Amino acid sequence: GQQLNQSPQSMFIQEGEDVSMNCTSSSIFNTWLWYKQDPGEGPVLLIALYKAGELTSNGRLTAQFGITRKDSFLNISASIPSDVGIYFCAGRTEYGNKLVFGAGTILRVKS
Amino acid sequence: NAGVMQNPRHLVRRRGQEARLRCSPVKGHSHVYWYRQLPEEGLKFMVYLQKENIIDESGMPKERFSAEFPKEGPSILRIQQVVRGDSAAYFCASSPMVGQRSSGNTIYFGEGSWLTVV
Repeated sequence: GQQLNQSPQSMFIQEGEDVSMNCTSSSIFNTWLWYKQDPGEGPVLLIALYKAGELTSNGRLTAQFGITRKDSFLNISASIPSDVGIYFCAGRTEYGNKLVFGAGTILRVKS
Repeated sequence: NAGVMQNPRHLVRRRGQEARLRCSPVKGHSHVYWYRQLPEEGLKFMVYLQKENIIDESGMPKERFSAEFPKEGPSILRIQQVVRGDSAAYFCASSPMVGQRSSGNTIYFGEGSWLTVV
C-alpha cells in the first residue's frame, strides 16, 4: 500500500530557530496536506497543496509540493512555544479516495 | 476543525460491551472518513463513506467493526464486543468531494472520540 515517510521523528529546538520537516512517498500524489495536532485534540489543517511545485505560506509556515509529486516539506520560521505539537503530512493519489498519513514529527520548543 | 462534530468526546466501556461513535460532517459535506490513532502513533485510515454507501473499508478490522452514513443523521462507527486493544482515539473527517485539484480535495477533522476499554 501507499506509504509516507515523514522525518524527522522528533525535534527539540530553541525558541526562535527555524524548523524543517519533510515527507516522501513511494506513490505520486495530487494533494499534499499538512496538519498540526495538539494533545487531546484533532488534527488542524495548516496548509493544503494541490499542484506540483506549489509553494504556499500561512504566516510563519511555508510548505511546498515537490516537483516529482512524491514529496513535500514544511518549514516553520522563528519558532515560538505554541508551535509545540505533532505535525503530520498527508497525501492523496489522483485516483485515491483517502488520505494517507505520515507517522508525525513531534516538535518541542525550548524557551 | 471546521465544524466536524464528534460525540462522545470520551467513552469508557467494559470488555465485551458495544461502543458507538457518532460524527456529523461539515454542513454540505457528503464524504466521511474514520481514522484511528493509537497513543503516540499516526492516524490510520479505517473507512470512507458517502451517503448510504461504503466506498472503501480497507482499513476496517474484519470483525466487530462496522460503519454507516445514513441518508439522514450522523455517521456511526460501531465497535461490538470491545477489547482492550480497541482503546484509541477515533477521528472522523469530512470533505465535500474528491478527485479534484481544489479545496474540494481537503479533508477536515473533528476533535475525536477517545475510547477506553477497561
